Amino acid sequence: DTAVSQTPKYLVTQMGNDKSIKCEQNLGHDTMYWYKQDSKKFLKIMFSYNNKELIINETVPNRFSPKSPDKAHLNLHINSLELGDSAVYFCASSQDVEEQFFGPGTRLTVL
Amino acid sequence: AQSVTQPDIHITVSEGASLELRCNYSYGATPYLFWYVQSPGQGLQLLLKYFSGDTLVQGIKGFEAEFKRSQSSFNLRKPSVHWSDAAEYFCAVGANTGGFKTIFGAGTRLFVKA
Repeated sequence: DTAVSQTPKYLVTQMGNDKSIKCEQNLGHDTMYWYKQDSKKFLKIMFSYNNKELIINETVPNRFSPKSPDKAHLNLHINSLELGDSAVYFCASSQDVEEQFFGPGTRLTVL
Repeated sequence: AQSVTQPDIHITVSEGASLELRCNYSYGATPYLFWYVQSPGQGLQLLLKYFSGDTLVQGIKGFEAEFKRSQSSFNLRKPSVHWSDAAEYFCAVGANTGGFKTIFGAGTRLFVKA
């Protein structure tokens, strides 16, 4: 059973398009996260949701909009994609301050 | 604000040799400390964590780490490296600041030579 799953695994798109990445966790965790990992492997938190409520919103362009329909799902919608958005996006979940469980990542390439 | 420094961008060790990956953190209170490993094309997996108590913590795959408050360090060690340990290793510090947030270091890439 996959604990944290993301779709799609790869996403190639043109500049200016709008795209979404979906994330689901079956661990019963209350908190979910989105991270961006750049080409140098630097991992930076973007958003955190706890029980469908946004609790962390780092300095991220407002073209990025997370949505949590329930505590098992956290989706990421990106408007007007730019070249600099190319990265690997990881979803993760945790229960309080315990370890985070990461999804396999979505590699986004903007052409 | 909390931060994490991993001074080594990459390290190469021979299979069977010992390993130590360095990590220094900056945080005002007692931190939550983690080491994660990322194999190519994969997500991150927790190796071990320190919250309190014994400063030497054991993790999976034969890894251990020692918390040294005086040096603000949390170095990762393994006595004998296997070729399958080649991966990217991330040290991280977590804090409750209006929501639990984990700050990751830049990572250390481990190469293992036969």
